[in-house]
Amino acid sequence: SQKIEQNSEALNIQEGKTATLTCNYTNYSPAYLQWYRQDPGRGPVFLLLIRENEKEKRKERLKVTFDTTLKQSLFHITASQPADSATYLCALDIYNTDKLIFGTGTRLQVFP
Amino acid sequence: DTEVTQTPKHLVMGMTNKKSLKCEQHMGHRAMYWYKQKAKKPPELMFVYSYEKLSINESVPSRFSPECPNSSLLNLHLHALQPEDSALYLCASSLAGRGSTDTQYFGPGTRLTVL
Repeated sequence: SQKIEQNSEALNIQEGKTATLTCNYTNYSPAYLQWYRQDPGRGPVFLLLIRENEKEKRKERLKVTFDTTLKQSLFHITASQPADSATYLCALDIYNTDKLIFGTGTRLQVFP
Repeated sequence: DTEVTQTPKHLVMGMTNKKSLKCEQHMGHRAMYWYKQKAKKPPELMFVYSYEKLSINESVPSRFSPECPNSSLLNLHLHALQPEDSALYLCASSLAGRGSTDTQYFGPGTRLTVL
């Protein structure tokens, strides 16, 4: 069955540094991959989508890469701020369905 | 209006109660979803409605009964729940469904506690 792992349950970094989060998947060939942010007790909020034929996507301080050979996506937040502290989830589609499967999530804490 | 609303925010119910969760969106989205999320876990898909028809049921126990009265509304009827059903229940919607690459818009969730 499909398996999606975000290999850091928690990541602590200092303000101003770049945070790098990892999403790995197996038994799977997604057409696209999404990243969401979730604050405690709230619903996830969409951040970025990257398709299988795209290597990199950027939005302001956010950058996502997608390596279909390694079956891995990296999510970068540059010049991180305490307000970036949240749980970040990757999500992959199941081909030709309405399903998204979410990764295990990484809880990011940015310290001043 | 780019918002998905959910009511109630919090719900406490006994194992013999019947209650309903409600979700609403006015973005013209034609796919709507129910997820269950336990603490420190990712959202788990329960049901998907596409164009008001149930398209995915992830083998959810029958004590959870979804309903989509129209394209803007999604309900989840609860009956004879167990304490392990306590969780955050999230509703989401997306533009077209049917295997498209649409992103999902989530509501704030209903925090359910079953005593």
